[in-house]
Amino acid sequence: SQQGEEDPQALSIQEGENATMNCSYKTSINNLQWYRQNSGRGLVHLILIRSNEREKHSGRLRVTLDTSKKSSSLLITASRAADTASYFCATNIIQGAQKLVFGQGTRLTINP
Amino acid sequence: DAGVIQSPRHEVTEMGQEVTLRCKPISGHNSLFWYRQTMMRGLELLIYFNNNVPIDDSGMPEDRFSAKMPNASFSTLKIQPSEPRDSAVYFCASTPRGTYGYTFGSGTRLTVV
Repeated sequence: SQQGEEDPQALSIQEGENATMNCSYKTSINNLQWYRQNSGRGLVHLILIRSNEREKHSGRLRVTLDTSKKSSSLLITASRAADTASYFCATNIIQGAQKLVFGQGTRLTINP
Repeated sequence: DAGVIQSPRHEVTEMGQEVTLRCKPISGHNSLFWYRQTMMRGLELLIYFNNNVPIDDSGMPEDRFSAKMPNASFSTLKIQPSEPRDSAVYFCASTPRGTYGYTFGSGTRLTVV
């Protein structure tokens, strides 16, 4: 089974609104990462948060991590049409190794 | 920097034929990963290499799949013989030592008919 599970599976909002996606995982992690995938393209790394961090920001992105609940959230503020994509969380579950396990993703649609 | 380069972008082949997918990682990246993406199973790690050495091939579905990395700038994923259930998008990704963000290639869309 997948280590990470995103919620919701699909999200549709109006341009300018904030989008929040959640990720839950099962085993202890070294770090958690978020990726974006536009239709027909490869994945693009957005942000990485380590297990000893609780919050991280990058531009319009805000990521939180709650290791006690084994969950993370990705917030995209002031959404734009160009943010339409699938978003995946990925967990690095083995200390010192670089193997990532991806969730099933959230399909985000920003309506103009 | 040209990024991770995969070839071909699209491959259509008949069942039973051999298929070879190619990947050129970013220069200086010491880890390379092969993933497969399907609607049903999502992104699955097939195999990864550190410094050209296979570290974990537990995701390789069967003996029909093999991967090599003869040098730091080239890797292949081979399927022989191919089957319709192998149809998927195959991604290659690389990352440098000490960091964990992956850089993905654009993928190879494989269709086995």
